[in-house]
Amino acid sequence: GQNIDQPTEMTATEGAIVQINCTYQTSGFNGLFWYQQHAGEAPTFLSYNVLDGLEEKGRFSSFLSRSKGYSYLLLKELQMKDSASYLCAVNDYKLSFGAGTTVTVRA
Amino acid sequence: EAQVTQNPRYLITVTGKKLTVTCSQNMNHEYMSWYRQDPGLGLRQIYYSMNVEVTDKGDVPEGYKVSRKEKRNFPLILESPSPNQTSLYFCASRTDITLNSPLHFGNGTRLTVT
Repeated sequence: GQNIDQPTEMTATEGAIVQINCTYQTSGFNGLFWYQQHAGEAPTFLSYNVLDGLEEKGRFSSFLSRSKGYSYLLLKELQMKDSASYLCAVNDYKLSFGAGTTVTVRA
Repeated sequence: EAQVTQNPRYLITVTGKKLTVTCSQNMNHEYMSWYRQDPGLGLRQIYYSMNVEVTDKGDVPEGYKVSRKEKRNFPLILESPSPNQTSLYFCASRTDITLNSPLHFGNGTRLTVT
């Protein structure tokens, strides 16, 4: 079975840094995706980690530890437009999603 | 423009009235999938298809049907909708399941069953 856990909500101030954790226990694992989803819109791809370590893409970074079943998404220099839900998804043969973390950025 | 197109965007129907939500992709993707999204439960997979004429159940297939007669189209059929199928539905596609390719999502269909 699949078990993917993320915090439900996080709040941070504009310009700050927020770290969204994702832990997983899944029957298969080929990598881990992070998606961003604004309210009422489709999820959009942010990052993908296959190997252990940190992947950096501008203000967003994602980390993976396969031995610990753990990943995080780091959002730096937060902007108001970063207010959204962030979904982690384990890439097995059918891509299983966590419930998502809603991030609210305050001015 | 590369995209996944779902129709309709919004649909209100009554219990028991058959409906179809269409999904089409223009990226020549082999893999297509349907998800429903409910508050607190995240995206749950309904059905997926790894290629033409190949479909399989996801985590919540009850009450739904799909077909994959052509590579680009993957309609979702609700033969007898019930109120517990009120949800936000997303169709998605990816190159295939062996490559580490991300899912591309359609814009969603908000379904209300009364």
